[in-house]
Amino acid sequence: LAKTTQPISMDSYEGQEVNITCSHNNIATNDYITWYQQFPSQGPRFIIQGYKTKVTNEVASLFIPADRKSSTLSLPRVSLSDTAVYYCLVGDNYRSGYSTLTFGKGTMLLVSP
Amino acid sequence: EAQVTQNPRYLITVTGKKLTVTCSQNMNHEYMSWYRQDPGLGLRQIYYSMNVEVTDKGDVPEGYKVSRKEKRNFPLILESPSPNQTSLYFCASSFLGGQGPYGYTFGSGTRLTVV
Repeated sequence: LAKTTQPISMDSYEGQEVNITCSHNNIATNDYITWYQQFPSQGPRFIIQGYKTKVTNEVASLFIPADRKSSTLSLPRVSLSDTAVYYCLVGDNYRSGYSTLTFGKGTMLLVSP
Repeated sequence: EAQVTQNPRYLITVTGKKLTVTCSQNMNHEYMSWYRQDPGLGLRQIYYSMNVEVTDKGDVPEGYKVSRKEKRNFPLILESPSPNQTSLYFCASSFLGGQGPYGYTFGSGTRLTVV
C-alpha cells in the first residue's frame, strides 16, 4: 500500500492560491490519487481524484507528474471557509488487491483574512 | 438525497455495556467501512466490507465487530466497550475501488464516550 507524505500544516491568506503537495513514491500502476477535505467534527468530503496529468473541477485542480510519485492539490483563491484538513490518499483499487483506504494525518490549512 | 446516515450522533455509555452504532447508505454502494478519529492519530480504519457477507479487518479492529447482512447497512458493534474506545467514529461507503466520480461518501460521525 502506497504511503503518502504531506506537510503537517500550511498558512495562507484569503484570495491566494494554495498548493499542497503529497509524495507517494511507492504508488502502484493501478492506483488512483484522491484528495479529501475535512472540517472539525465532520466526515471527510471528496474533493478531486486523478490518475495522471491534470484534473480540474469546480473547486480544485490536481497536478500529477509523469512519474506519479507526487501530486499537487491546487486551491485557487482560497477563502476563510477553506480552512480545513486536507488528506491525500493513494490506492484502494480492488483490482490490485488492496482493499483498505488509509488516511495519513493530512495537512491543516489555515486561511487568514 | 445520496447520503450515509449514522446513528446516534452522540453516545455516552459505561464500560462493558454492549452498544451498536448503525450505518446506512442509499447509493447502492458495494464498499462500506468504519473509521475512528483521535487527536494526533488521524483517521484509522477499523473494518471494511466489499459486499454483503464479506468483511475484513482494517488497521485497528480490536474490540469491534461488524456485520453486513444487507447491502445498505453496516453496523459497528462494541461488545464490551472500554474507555480507550472513546472516539469520533465515521462510516463511509463507495462503489468498489473508490474510483467513482465522488470517491467515498462519509457519514456525519458518531461521538462516543465510554466512562
